Order: sequence, then structure tokens, then C-alpha cells
Amino acid sequence: AQSVTQLDSHVSVSEGTPVLLRCNYSSSYSPSLFWYVQHPNKGLQLLLKYTSAATLVKGINGFEAEFKKSETSFHLTKPSAHMSDAAEYFCVATRIGFGSNSGYALNFGKGTSLLVTP
Amino acid sequence: DAGVIQSPRHEVTEMGQEVTLRCKPISGHDYLFWYRQTMMRGLELLIYFNNNVPIDDSGMPEDRFSAKMPNASFSTLKIQPSEPRDSAVYFCATAPSGGAGETQYFGPGTRLLVL
Repeated sequence: AQSVTQLDSHVSVSEGTPVLLRCNYSSSYSPSLFWYVQHPNKGLQLLLKYTSAATLVKGINGFEAEFKKSETSFHLTKPSAHMSDAAEYFCVATRIGFGSNSGYALNFGKGTSLLVTP
Repeated sequence: DAGVIQSPRHEVTEMGQEVTLRCKPISGHDYLFWYRQTMMRGLELLIYFNNNVPIDDSGMPEDRFSAKMPNASFSTLKIQPSEPRDSAVYFCATAPSGGAGETQYFGPGTRLLVL
């Protein structure tokens, strides 16, 4: 079975300091991996995705993530937090099953709530 | 492009009533997904369609839930009869064809409260 684990349910940082949101996946294969962000009362927006190309992936708003197969990790980072980064962040992996359509189904982590303080 | 459109944005109903949630996908997207988000269970995939055909409905919680996609421009998720434990935010997402790495685009969600 495949699963996604976000190691912190809440992270608090000061504005201007680095952000690290941790994600591990368990699987016998290398899935496609995504980070989505959800602002209060909004839908989910894609930050970045990994699809077996470069292991360091750059996304929107200065975020990036590195795929480390040996550690089965896909941590999200940003050098300097901004107040507008406060939101819920989801690490997501594709499922793998039988048939070409199966990869489209996604497994979501439980989410990490990022708080940015002045 | 207007993105994925969901209606209504908010729905308050009484237990036992029928609830219908609607979704209009991004034009040209062949895949449509219905998700449910709750505090307890997080985001769960309920069902998804490819070219209007249901592919995987294993996440549909019980027979009270049904989903249809009569054409490429419209899908519904119906709950009949509704129960308080169905209260959640329901998201519709769509994706183009192209493989497992394709991005899913989410609508703004429907916030359902069943009293």
C-alpha cells in the first residue's frame, strides 16, 4: 500500500525566516509527487510537482522541493517566509494500480498548517 | 479560462433531504474527480471519471452517494438522503490526459452542512 506522511501538522515561522515542511512517502515505486496549497476557504492550488525529471523542483512563490529516493522524502522549502504564505499545505502522491488510468488517483497527506508571525 | 466551477458554494440542509452538488470542468480536460474534505479524515477521493465514464468509485462511502457525468461539461454528486456526518467540503477537480504526472485543477469547493 502506498501512503503519504506529513511529519508536522503545524509549523510556525517568523516572517523572513526559512520554511521547511516535511513529507515522506512509502511505496515500492517512484510516484509523481505534488505540493498543493490551500488558503482559508479556498480550493487547492498547485505549488510544484515532481514527475521523474529533475529531482530539485522549483514552484511558484519561491517554493521548491527536492525528491530524495533514498530517503523517500519530498520536503518543501522556501528561503524566506512571507505573511501571505500562511495556509494549509498538502503533500500528494499518485497511486499506482492496474491500468493506465490508475495513476490519476491521488493520495493526500493530512496537511501541514503554516503560521507566519510578524 | 474560468477554471473548475462548482455550485452551490454553500449548502445548508436538513437531515433526510436530497443534496446535489454540481461541477463544470475545464474545457478539454478528460478527467474529473470528486473529493471530500473533513477535519477527521482529511481529503478523500470519492470517485473519478475519464471521458464521462466512472473509473474508480471505491471511495464513495455508501449507496446514499451517487455521481454522474452525462457529458463532458457537467458532473453531479448527489447525496440522498443526507445525514449530519456528510457535512464537509466537497471539491471537484479536473485534469487533462497525458499520464500520471498531470496536474489536477481544483474548484473552490462546496461547503455542505447537514443539520
